Amino acid sequence: ELKVEQNPLFLSMQEGKNYTIYCNYSTTSDRLYWYRQDPGKSLESLFVLLSNGAVKQEGRLMASLDTKARLSTLHITAAVHDLSATYFCAVVNFGNEKLTFGTGTRLTIIP
Amino acid sequence: DAGVTQSPTHLIKTRGQQVTLRCSPKSGHDTVSWYQQALGQGPQFIFQYYEEEERQRGNFPDRFSGHQFPNYSSELNVNALLLGDSALYLCASSDTGGTYGYTFGSGTRLTVV
Repeated sequence: ELKVEQNPLFLSMQEGKNYTIYCNYSTTSDRLYWYRQDPGKSLESLFVLLSNGAVKQEGRLMASLDTKARLSTLHITAAVHDLSATYFCAVVNFGNEKLTFGTGTRLTIIP
Repeated sequence: DAGVTQSPTHLIKTRGQQVTLRCSPKSGHDTVSWYQQALGQGPQFIFQYYEEEERQRGNFPDRFSGHQFPNYSSELNVNALLLGDSALYLCASSDTGGTYGYTFGSGTRLTVV
């Protein structure tokens, strides 16, 4: 059974600092997604990573995928308060259409 | 271009009752999935519908059932509600295969009292 783990679970960081969220998954996957969720709200799609070595960037966020290591990272550059949210990675197995979500990382940016 | 639309946004039901949640997918999407998100947890897959058939199901009891209509919209039905069914229910739509990602609706917050 596919398991997806994120770390850290909670992260407080100061504005202007850089940090990385890690997403590990247990079995071979062909697709990985990153989502953002604000309190009480739905999931906002950030990135879709489809192949080994894929790197995508949007503003202060950059995501990468290493399928051999079964690892994805979400890097935050020069954090700003607006990035405070919970971030989830989600993985889809080959021949399977369900998203298996990680535990989530609750990110708080402190001024 | 309308995204995924869910109704109602909030709902309060009593234990033992039945509930129906509704979802209209994003334009151009033909696949609808339902997820349950308990407070402080990641979403859990309930099931997925494609071509009006349940294509895949997660580890949820038969009290959870669904339907997809010819216009691709979908319903989630939960019978014999339990307190533990209280959660945010999210609908996600995608193109066939989900290659371009899954778009989530704003969710229905179900409270069972």
